[in-house]
Amino acid sequence: AQSVSQHNHHVILSEAASLELGCNYSYGGTVNLFWYVQYPGQHLQLLLKYFSGDPLVKGIKGFEAEFIKSKFSFNLRKPSVQWSDTAEYFCAVNAGSGGYNKLIFGAGTRLAVHP
Amino acid sequence: DAGVTQSPTHLIKTRGQHVTLRCSPISGHKSVSWYQQVLGQGPQFIFQYYEKEERGRGNFPDRFSARQFPNYSSELNVNALLLGDSALYLCASSRRDRDTGELFFGEGSRLTVL
Repeated sequence: AQSVSQHNHHVILSEAASLELGCNYSYGGTVNLFWYVQYPGQHLQLLLKYFSGDPLVKGIKGFEAEFIKSKFSFNLRKPSVQWSDTAEYFCAVNAGSGGYNKLIFGAGTRLAVHP
Repeated sequence: DAGVTQSPTHLIKTRGQHVTLRCSPISGHKSVSWYQQVLGQGPQFIFQYYEKEERGRGNFPDRFSARQFPNYSSELNVNALLLGDSALYLCASSRRDRDTGELFFGEGSRLTVL
């Protein structure tokens, strides 16, 4: 079955620490991969996306993710987090077939950044 | 530009009742999708509509139904509410039925079933 696994449910970091959030997916087709972020009290927003080409993709606010096909992974990274990065992060894969979009989300990782 | 708008933002119902949730997509977007987000979990796909036709359906019972109107807005209906239907219902829009899958989400309608 199609699925997305996020390794950490809760992560606590101090400002300036480096961040890596793990994401593994199970899907046999051509993958479009996403990281969405939900800041407190706000709607889900796209952080970055991978469609094809360079497996290292850069998103907003200094985030990047690397697609490793052999490992079915799409980990999110940021070299130095800020307090404003406190949010919930969701990894997702587009698993729609037959001509429609169907995002499968992981359970999410809550990141708390302390000043 | 206005984003995806949903109404109502919060509502409380009792078991067995019916609920209708509404969504207006971003201008120019012809596809609307609905997701259910239960506390502590990621959003789960319910439906996608494109040009007023259902294009995809997730693993939800027939109590869940939806439709899309000529102006591309959409309604999600849930009949015979159960306690387990308590969740945040998210609407998302995109330009087409099948593209890269980049969705634009609304803030959601939080449904509590007592």
